Amino acid sequence: GEQVEQLPSILRVQEGSSASINCTYENSASNYFPWYKQEPGENPKLIIDIRSNMERKQTQGLIVLLDKKAKRFSLHITDTQPGDSAMYFCAAGGTGGYKVVFGSGTRLLVSP
Amino acid sequence: EAAVTQSPRNKVAVTGGKVTLSCNQTNNHNNMYWYRQDTGHGLRLIHYSYGAGSTEKGDIPDGYKASRPSQENFSLILELATPSQTSVYFCASGHWGDQNTLYFGAGTRLSVL
Repeated sequence: GEQVEQLPSILRVQEGSSASINCTYENSASNYFPWYKQEPGENPKLIIDIRSNMERKQTQGLIVLLDKKAKRFSLHITDTQPGDSAMYFCAAGGTGGYKVVFGSGTRLLVSP
Repeated sequence: EAAVTQSPRNKVAVTGGKVTLSCNQTNNHNNMYWYRQDTGHGLRLIHYSYGAGSTEKGDIPDGYKASRPSQENFSLILELATPSQTSVYFCASGHWGDQNTLYFGAGTRLSVL
């Protein structure tokens, strides 16, 4: 299978707290896992990604974890701000990178 | 930043009519993709291509055709549009290598009446 499951669909947090989004994938050949952020009315944009040769990657308040054995990866946003409110998508890319399958998205709402 | 241009940005079509959505990228990316975005389903892959002359079926190809006549252009064709194809369509391009970022166009909002 090629499906990517993403949870939760909606996530409400208070400003300054952390937010976590979880994804699972089916295809064992998947080796590239990007995360995209989509502002209202805009197109999705890459915010962070991780390859299968890594278990953790961190950049600018974003942490991505990958558990290949469990076929699970997650995004953690530390110290959330109202500007982090957006739709977030996880995705999985297979060998060769041609096919990139997205999860169903998480709407993150950060309240002041 | 990579430039991906979609046209039209908005389209109203009649049921049974033919619709062509166009996508142009100016960054010499090998791979191009068509996704549709619907509430609750996220981004679903319709067709993709890994070079001029190639098209591959994605996860939901039924009712859609694709055409990649050149490195720069990738079209999505709805031969007989149906109301269920009302959606927002995104084109994206990317290149498999050290950087695997997908660059999305601004999207096309299609309404089939």
